[in-house]
Amino acid sequence: EPEVTQTPSHQVTQMGQEVILRCVPISNHLYFYWYRQILGQKVEFLVSFYNNEISEKSEIFDDQFSVERPDGSNFTLKIRSTKLEDSAMYFCASSERRQAVQSYFGPGTRLTVT
Amino acid sequence: AQSVTQPDIHITVSEGASLELRCNYSYGATPYLFWYVQSPGQGLQLLLKYFSGDTLVQGIKGFEAEFKRSQSSFNLRKPSVHWSDAAEYFCAVGAPDGNKLVFGAGTILRVKS
Repeated sequence: EPEVTQTPSHQVTQMGQEVILRCVPISNHLYFYWYRQILGQKVEFLVSFYNNEISEKSEIFDDQFSVERPDGSNFTLKIRSTKLEDSAMYFCASSERRQAVQSYFGPGTRLTVT
Repeated sequence: AQSVTQPDIHITVSEGASLELRCNYSYGATPYLFWYVQSPGQGLQLLLKYFSGDTLVQGIKGFEAEFKRSQSSFNLRKPSVHWSDAAEYFCAVGAPDGNKLVFGAGTILRVKS
């Protein structure tokens, strides 16, 4: 069964550093998403992306965050200058159709900012 | 705006006992509803989903959920819990044409032997 993959599984970085989290969506999917889960809290929507544009973003997704589809297979989330509060599990998801309800989630990247 | 409430933060059940996890949602129309399970340090695994039709939905691992429109609820049930079911369970709602899923705060299930 096709699946969404994410790398790395765990990333440790120092405050103020830039990080890029990588995702490989399912190959025929066109809609991509990032979600975040701070330890012990609920999963929160960050951003949705289609046709090289952001479709929707949450209040969390401020100017420190950006997304990109640099090639035909990867979908990345960049955090320009990490803060301690960015420590969380970041989940990538993709869907074939516009409806996010059809999303498949990746296993997550745990980001630890020290 | 959509929202999801999972009233129980923690639930402890004995192995072999039945389980019901509560989920209430707020949405103006009939939403799409989901239950996910997350083991510690792991990703989200989809247990089941409701889009339309039969309001009793069967999922993996012996779980089922019932959509009750009048109560705006989508409670998850299992007749007999196994120790391996210990995990955190998230209910989520999505608009049929929406760009995102909205998750509840989760319920941590502990299973005692």
